[in-house]
Amino acid sequence: DIQMTQSPSSLSASVGDRVTVSCRASHDISNYLAWYQQRPGRVPYLLISAASTLRSGVPSRFSGSGSGTDFTLTISSLQPEDVATYYCQSYVSAPLTFGGGTTVEIK
Amino acid sequence: EVQLVESGGGLVQPGGSLRLSCAASGFTFINYAMGWVRRAPGRGLEWVSSLSHNDGSRSYADSVKGRFTISRDNSKNTLSLQMNTLGADDTAVYYCVKATTAAGRGYCFDSWGQGALVTVSS
Repeated sequence: DIQMTQSPSSLSASVGDRVTVSCRASHDISNYLAWYQQRPGRVPYLLISAASTLRSGVPSRFSGSGSGTDFTLTISSLQPEDVATYYCQSYVSAPLTFGGGTTVEIK
Repeated sequence: EVQLVESGGGLVQPGGSLRLSCAASGFTFINYAMGWVRRAPGRGLEWVSSLSHNDGSRSYADSVKGRFTISRDNSKNTLSLQMNTLGADDTAVYYCVKATTAAGRGYCFDSWGQGALVTVSS
């Protein structure tokens, strides 16, 4: 089974900062990697699929990169509404696996 | 607008059973794989099960295999999860999710229901 490891588990940054979240797969998953945002009290929301394809309507300050085993979610300029927990997910095959999550807070 | 509405959650004793349902609307249900994802208190997201668009391919997390059964009724636009032999570790909010494709080896999910709380406790 594929294991997904996210880092850091939490971070605190200032409005306008560049924020990066890392996700590492235990095996090569090509680009079968999705990123989700879960704001407090809300349901998860798909931000990015295929490692770097931004979902329609998602602000362009979000971007994804990587392939194989190492992936990155970047928020180019952190905004207050970006406070959330972010999850990566491998979907190369079942069992589907999520990373442990990264909680982003405003400093 | 895609809508996924779960029902059937509640309190159940250890060893008991529960059936979750998800009513889907706002999209052509038969064209998409569906699934269930859960989030236990204080923990992250955990994929539970997925089902291809035509009910031809089902998959389960090891933690629920043999106890949970996923099914769909394409004539009624509904997804179900029969959960048997429930334990405390099954306590979670269960989300009905819509995949971005009809079938495949794996899925990501672009629509999520509001969730159904399942509490397993005596």
